[in-house]
Amino acid sequence: AQSVTQLGSHVSVSEGALVLLRCNYSSSVPPYLFWYVQYPNQGLQLLLKYTSAATLVKGINGFEAEFKKSETSFHLTKPSAHMSDAAEYFCAVSDRPGYALNFGKGTSLLVTP
Amino acid sequence: KAGVTQTPRYLIKTRGQQVTLSCSPISGHRSVSWYQQTPGQGLQFLFEYFSETQRNKGNFPGRFSGRQFSNSRSEMNVSTLELGDSALYLCASSPDRGSTEAFFGQGTRLTVV
Repeated sequence: AQSVTQLGSHVSVSEGALVLLRCNYSSSVPPYLFWYVQYPNQGLQLLLKYTSAATLVKGINGFEAEFKKSETSFHLTKPSAHMSDAAEYFCAVSDRPGYALNFGKGTSLLVTP
Repeated sequence: KAGVTQTPRYLIKTRGQQVTLSCSPISGHRSVSWYQQTPGQGLQFLFEYFSETQRNKGNFPGRFSGRQFSNSRSEMNVSTLELGDSALYLCASSPDRGSTEAFFGQGTRLTVV
């Protein structure tokens, strides 16, 4: 089964600094990869998705991710962190469109002034 | 367009009882999936319905069941509640079977005492 591993359960950055959240996938077939964000007491919001169209994917709120097959990675980045980015971030994988998502354990992002 | 609506938002039940959670997908969406989120296990797939048929099921005991109605609304039921069933239950809807977009509701927070 497809799976993802998120490195670092907690990441802390200063406001204005680069955000880098790491995700590695395990897949024997081209995967569908996603990044979701969850704010306290809220559901999940899709930030961006990779569906093999382009390796560099741009999402909402200034986030982007690059699919690197050689490294089996799909890391999430944002050039400049904002206080409002503080949340839980989940990487997810699916082996077919519309099928079950397998989520990573999540990374809690803290943004300090 | 209204988002995914889950009711109730919060629920407290006693061990041994049963509970029914409701999910109304985005208008026009025919696929509904359910996920359980706990601090220990993270986000886990429960099941997925499309056009009133269960298409996928996760690795959960038979106490967890669901159904989908002709208007695409879905319910999930948990019988003989255990303390470990305390979790945030999230519902996601997608336009159709092959869609890569899943839109999540805010979830139902179930506490079993």
